[in-house]
Amino acid sequence: DARVTQTPRHKVTEMGQEVTMRCQPILGHNTVFWYRQTMMQGLELLAYFRNRAPLDDSGMPKDRFSAEMPDATLATLKIQPSEPRDSAVYFCASGWTGGVYLAKNIQYFGAGTRLSVL
Amino acid sequence: TQLLEQSPQFLSIQEGENLTVYCNSSSVFSSLQWYRQEPGEGPVLLVTVVTGGEVKKLKRLTFQFGDARKDSSLHITAAQPGDTGLYLCAGANAGGTSYGKLTFGQGTILTVHP
Repeated sequence: DARVTQTPRHKVTEMGQEVTMRCQPILGHNTVFWYRQTMMQGLELLAYFRNRAPLDDSGMPKDRFSAEMPDATLATLKIQPSEPRDSAVYFCASGWTGGVYLAKNIQYFGAGTRLSVL
Repeated sequence: TQLLEQSPQFLSIQEGENLTVYCNSSSVFSSLQWYRQEPGEGPVLLVTVVTGGEVKKLKRLTFQFGDARKDSSLHITAAQPGDTGLYLCAGANAGGTSYGKLTFGQGTILTVHP
């Protein structure tokens, strides 16, 4: 049963520390998304990649957040330095985008990384 | 910026009741998806509607896409405690660099009491 794998599932850190979240997308998917979910803002798109190339990172605070995809099996989201307001659940999703059939643009989500910055 | 307004935000009902969740926008989407999220998990796709006016049924769940492809609804008949969760609508765009990107609504938290 193919699934998106995110690590760690939980992370507690102190303000100012670096945080790295990892995502293994489903094999064969060509698009990877990073989201942040909070009660106040809901699900916000931070950045996404297609064929490992960054397409849009306008939702991400550029001064402290960075997203990379070093290879097709790994996507990373880093926060440096972390702040209490970064506390949220971070989701990675992967999917196949392309082709004429629009309904194939489905996103499969990982279980998320719950980040608490003290 | 495309926005999806979802209503209601919270819904608390008794088992056996019917309910409808709405998803509205002033923008046109190429397709509309509905996801369900349980605590501690990521959203899971329930259905995708593509054609204006399209109706899809998934057991007790009925999904409709508006004729103009700007709105959608999710109707649950005879709700059960197992339907409890966060329901999210998401609109997809077909063109340019937004291809594949989803715009999510704020979500509806549904609680079904036994």
